Amino acid sequence: DSGVTQTPKHLITATGQRVTLRCSPRSGDLSVYWYQQSLDQGLQFLIQYYNGEERAKGNILERFSAQQFPDLHSELNLSSLELGDSALYFCASSLHTGGRPLHFGNGTRLTVT
Amino acid sequence: AQKITQTQPGMFVQEKEAVTLDCTYDTSDQSYGLFWYKQPSSGEMIFLIYQGSYDEQNATEGRYSLNFQKARKSANLVISASQLGDSAMYFCAMERGNQAGTALIFGKGTTLSVSS
Repeated sequence: DSGVTQTPKHLITATGQRVTLRCSPRSGDLSVYWYQQSLDQGLQFLIQYYNGEERAKGNILERFSAQQFPDLHSELNLSSLELGDSALYFCASSLHTGGRPLHFGNGTRLTVT
Repeated sequence: AQKITQTQPGMFVQEKEAVTLDCTYDTSDQSYGLFWYKQPSSGEMIFLIYQGSYDEQNATEGRYSLNFQKARKSANLVISASQLGDSAMYFCAMERGNQAGTALIFGKGTTLSVSS
């Protein structure tokens, strides 16, 4: 068990809808990262937060947004969903930023129909 | 641009044998980190091993070792004494960024199948 908790485990929704994925980092970790894993794109970095502040941004679509709250949990909001957004979304956390392994949650599998 | 290349889509090995999973990387940074993760069919991402670019010795973690050849920009994972439970997808990743913010760049992965 990595200590990173993601909810829900599975999510099925229709095109055009909006969903929120939730992540609780390991106890004590200040950085939260979001990754998307799809068959065609592989594993892609979306965004990083450190202690509530956005620190790094990857290939995150404008329809997607994230935030990290004062209790350090994070949410990834996906809106105007398209079929191509179907993927496994991972949250990961680390104590600080850089230089040490990320501990991944078990992921949220999103299916857009 | 930074890039990770895993050229072996699939590898097959028998139980108790050793196997090497290849990874090459491209970066112009002097300081970087290299990681290997395992993803079983259940989907979770499991950290295996880490190598810093300035580490003089190759990293080892139990049955896992990282054959780091800096001049060749390769960071191959060696699994000794393979077990059936090692069957999974394996990803090589490189860290990019700085103290302000970082991200992992992943390769496309290698599927390892261990048979009895």
